[in-house]
Amino acid sequence: AQKITQTQPGMFVQEKEAVTLDCTYDTSDPSYGLFWYKQPSSGEMIFLIYQGSYDQQNATEGRYSLNFQKARKSANLVISASQLGDSAMYFCAMGPLGQGGKLIFGQGTELSVKP
Amino acid sequence: GAVVSQHPSRVICKSGTSVKIECRSLDFQATTMFWYRQFPKQSLMLMATSNEGSKATYEQGVEKDKFLINHASLTLSTLTVTSAHPEDSSFYICSAKANYGYTFGSGTRLTVV
Repeated sequence: AQKITQTQPGMFVQEKEAVTLDCTYDTSDPSYGLFWYKQPSSGEMIFLIYQGSYDQQNATEGRYSLNFQKARKSANLVISASQLGDSAMYFCAMGPLGQGGKLIFGQGTELSVKP
Repeated sequence: GAVVSQHPSRVICKSGTSVKIECRSLDFQATTMFWYRQFPKQSLMLMATSNEGSKATYEQGVEKDKFLINHASLTLSTLTVTSAHPEDSSFYICSAKANYGYTFGSGTRLTVV
């Protein structure tokens, strides 16, 4: 069975500093995709970044980067230059490559950015 | 592109009544829709997968007769919470897989009083 684990229920970071949110996963399937979503208090799910299991390079999207360590089955999210608006819940998720298939989510990490 | 519209965003209903939540894919065809439930400060738990033109697939522990899912067209999936009780109060959110990943509805906050 597939499993996603986020071990940090809450994190604090000072504005303008970088923060790493941890995510580990477990799957026996060689083909999978890893996703990070941001969920503000409004509840909407905002897609941040994606990493495919066969991607050779770590994904980056603006201030977001994914530290993908396949052998360790980890997919940590790095947010650089934190902003007050980054305060939210962050979820790591895993799904199959290609069409179809469900996403499963980690427990989430609540990030608070301090001014 | 790849927008899913979910309605209503908030609903308060009396215990014992039924509530229908709709998710529409606006600019793509969603043959499959995923329905999640989320309690405060918790993760999204997959309830069921709806497939256009066929029966939904429910996750273990989810009551099929209580959470009725219909996916009658390529652009519309509905979740009906039947005989709602206060413990059904939660945040419900749908998702579909589009060309470039998964897209989510804006969610429905259900309160049963």
